Amino acid sequence: AQRVTQPEKLLSVFKGAPVELKCNYSYSGSPELFWYVQYSRQRLQLLLRHISRESIKGFTADLNKGETSFHLKKPFAQEEDSAMYYCALNTQGGSEKLVFGKGTKLTVNP
Amino acid sequence: IAGITQAPTSQILAAGRRMTLRCTQDMRHNAMYWYRQDLGLGLRLIHYSNTAGTTGKGEVPDGYSVSRANTDDFPLTLASAVPSQTSVYFCASSVSPGNSPLHFGNGTRLTVT
Repeated sequence: AQRVTQPEKLLSVFKGAPVELKCNYSYSGSPELFWYVQYSRQRLQLLLRHISRESIKGFTADLNKGETSFHLKKPFAQEEDSAMYYCALNTQGGSEKLVFGKGTKLTVNP
Repeated sequence: IAGITQAPTSQILAAGRRMTLRCTQDMRHNAMYWYRQDLGLGLRLIHYSNTAGTTGKGEVPDGYSVSRANTDDFPLTLASAVPSQTSVYFCASSVSPGNSPLHFGNGTRLTVT
């Protein structure tokens, strides 16, 4: 079965420190992976997707098929990065099979 | 600004009552979805619709129904609300049911007493 695991419910770092939000997935086929972010009092929005291989707001994420991971990284965290982050897996067959992890709440302290 | 509108923003509902959560999008997206967000459980798919006139069940469909009479609207109905349906409900849409990203509404906070 498809599954997304975000092992950390809460993650707290200081401003300027590196941050890594972990995401592991379970899927036997070819995965499509996303990171969504929800800032306080705002709607969920797409942060980045693995096929784009881009950096958004300083964040990057690399798909590692060997480790079945898609960890989100930023070298220098900012206070405005504080938010809820969700990793999501889209399996073949359409977005109705978009599976979300349970989320990690990131707090960046001044 | 184009996007997804959900109503109401929040609601307190007595158990056993019927409730419809509204969702409207003006982006002409084909696919629409309903998720519930619960602390510690993340986002779980309730129902989805790949195109107007079709719907499908997600991970947690029991106690909920949807309809998709047209492209823009995708209401979610709780026929007889129970306290376990207390949650934040998010409507989302995407251009197609493929791997296009989801656009979310602001959510509806529902409390069933």
